[in-house]
Amino acid sequence: GENVEQHPSTLSVQEGDSAVIKCTYSDSASNYFPWYKQELGKGPQLIIDIRSNVGEKKDQRIAVTLNKTAKHFSLHITETQPEDSAVYFCAASYPGWDEKLTFGTGTRLTIIP
Amino acid sequence: DTAVSQTPKYLVTQMGNDKSIKCEQNLGHDTMYWYKQDSKKFLKIMFSYNNKELIINETVPNRFSPKSPDKAHLNLHINSLELGDSAVYFCASSPPGTHMNTEAFFGQGTRLTVV
Repeated sequence: GENVEQHPSTLSVQEGDSAVIKCTYSDSASNYFPWYKQELGKGPQLIIDIRSNVGEKKDQRIAVTLNKTAKHFSLHITETQPEDSAVYFCAASYPGWDEKLTFGTGTRLTIIP
Repeated sequence: DTAVSQTPKYLVTQMGNDKSIKCEQNLGHDTMYWYKQDSKKFLKIMFSYNNKELIINETVPNRFSPKSPDKAHLNLHINSLELGDSAVYFCASSPPGTHMNTEAFFGQGTRLTVV
């Protein structure tokens, strides 16, 4: 089955700086890679996703890059703000009757004012 | 509000008891899931249902029994609760079409504490 590794587990950056979180996946059949943000006491919420036919996607201060050959994808947050502090999860899924999201282990991002 | 809602939000119970968590979505989605998040925040799928039919059962002990009376509801019943069942349980749903190869919408979670 799919295995997703995520690094780092914790990340602290100064407000206004950039943050990068990296994930690798094992199953070359995976073709969908979402990123979720989980705030304290809430459920995970999708912030951006990318499919395997695209190498990069950007949405305002958030971008995701995908390297299919190396089987890794990354989340980039620029001009970080205090409200970006949360736990971020990457995930991967492959098509099929038993499609499911396999999550990474999470990164606790802290933005230092 | 359109959402995935689950109840209760908090559940404290003694070992050996039986408890249920309810989940409802009004998003019109065909597929619903239960995820378990442990103390280290690791999120792992337990079950998925598509239009009331069980699709995924991820080697979860048979003390856990999901029930889907209709495609808008997926409840989780747990028998003979153990200390290790303490976790946050999330219900989620995703739109029709290609199962989970699209955005999943999560509920707020149910924090289960077994004492």
